[in-house]
Amino acid sequence: QKEVEQDPGPLSVPEGAIVSLNCTYSNSAFQYFMWYRQYSRKGPELLMYTYSSGNKEDGRFTAQVDKSSKYISLFIRDSQPSDSATYLCASDTGGFKTIFGAGTRLFVKA
Amino acid sequence: DTAVSQTPKYLVTQMGNDKSIKCEQNLGHDTMYWYKQDSKKFLKIMFSYNNKELIINETVPNRFSPKSPDKAHLNLHINSLELGDSAVYFCASSQDQGNQPQHFGDGTRLSIL
Repeated sequence: QKEVEQDPGPLSVPEGAIVSLNCTYSNSAFQYFMWYRQYSRKGPELLMYTYSSGNKEDGRFTAQVDKSSKYISLFIRDSQPSDSATYLCASDTGGFKTIFGAGTRLFVKA
Repeated sequence: DTAVSQTPKYLVTQMGNDKSIKCEQNLGHDTMYWYKQDSKKFLKIMFSYNNKELIINETVPNRFSPKSPDKAHLNLHINSLELGDSAVYFCASSQDQGNQPQHFGDGTRLSIL
């Protein structure tokens, strides 16, 4: 079992839809949770960063962590074609080893 | 001004050759990483260095040897390249350890013929 599990998709939605991306993790020691966005032929870029459980909002993006169920979510409101990318969830205990999910490919159709 | 830069962007070479990838960061970060991303986009850590010291070595074959001449640079040398080494290799950096977000370069696409 991978420490961070993520459905690779692809996920295809129409422009303006609300997108929900999800991950589960198995390591109870994870305390830091991240979402990275990766465009084709580019490196991952940090989108959201949360510590422990709770919600964090940044513009159209909301990250949720539920440590009781070991569930990580990213919601994108009013999705745009420019949101088409691969989204990677990641978790860390606070050491030097971040574990990434497999990434979900998202396509937003105009 | 690029924060994390890798060279070369593309590397096409024959099996059995030795090659190096260079990485530099101008963010003043203490920690640098090498990741391997396979064809299914799975990003897996290979090495992490903190203040030029090797901290993580994730069961990578010893044909892969990282070197950190200073905090701003982390190079990766690969001996006797094999077909399975074909992947995209990403360098990243962060301020201190895993409780800080990482900044990635744009990757080196390695293809073994």
